[in-house]
Amino acid sequence: DTEVTQTPKHLVMGMTNKKSLKCEQHMGHRAMYWYKQKAKKPPELMFVYSYEKLSINESVPSRFSPECPNSSLLNLHLHALQPEDSALYLCASSQVFADRGTEAFFGQGTRLTVV
Amino acid sequence: AQRVTQPEKLLSVFKGAPVELKCNYSYSGSPELFWYVQYSRQRLQLLLRHISRESIKGFTADLNKGETSFHLKKPFAQEEDSAMYYCAVGSASKIIFGSGTRLSIRP
Repeated sequence: DTEVTQTPKHLVMGMTNKKSLKCEQHMGHRAMYWYKQKAKKPPELMFVYSYEKLSINESVPSRFSPECPNSSLLNLHLHALQPEDSALYLCASSQVFADRGTEAFFGQGTRLTVV
Repeated sequence: AQRVTQPEKLLSVFKGAPVELKCNYSYSGSPELFWYVQYSRQRLQLLLRHISRESIKGFTADLNKGETSFHLKKPFAQEEDSAMYYCAVGSASKIIFGSGTRLSIRP
């Protein structure tokens, strides 16, 4: 299995709702990522987990709360979002190397609309 | 500061013509350079990486450390090459993307 699977594919939520995005991979990768992609823009890194520990938080607002319950799963908990948070949220995974970069495998994304 | 610059938002060429998508980077240390591609309605996927020195779908990219460039080239464009192309730089579990170039191949 060489896929990263994200659910749901689409999500519409109100500004007072709490929802979660889910991501799963079974490639044995120990690094998992959340990216945010606005229309016609490149993916922007939000969070990186390495060996199930949060290693990078790119100054993301606290209304986004990541969680890595085990080496195969990555969640992004959403609460009190704003309409400008509407975007495609991409999950990715990769192997971990301390001294170099490596290929990341991306999911199809969750299209989030905040109303 | 880590930065990847793709100066062209859109590149339109005729089928059979050569293609060059430009990428310049600014990065301390020894990063890895990648080209990712996103075809219409498909997920973002790796096209090639500089350390493998492979030719994928006829595309090649040479890392020029002196010019800090990693331009993507293909001698003869095909219609199925139409897609969004992102240059990326990575180091120790962090991948930064350029702004992307949309390649459009005209028949």
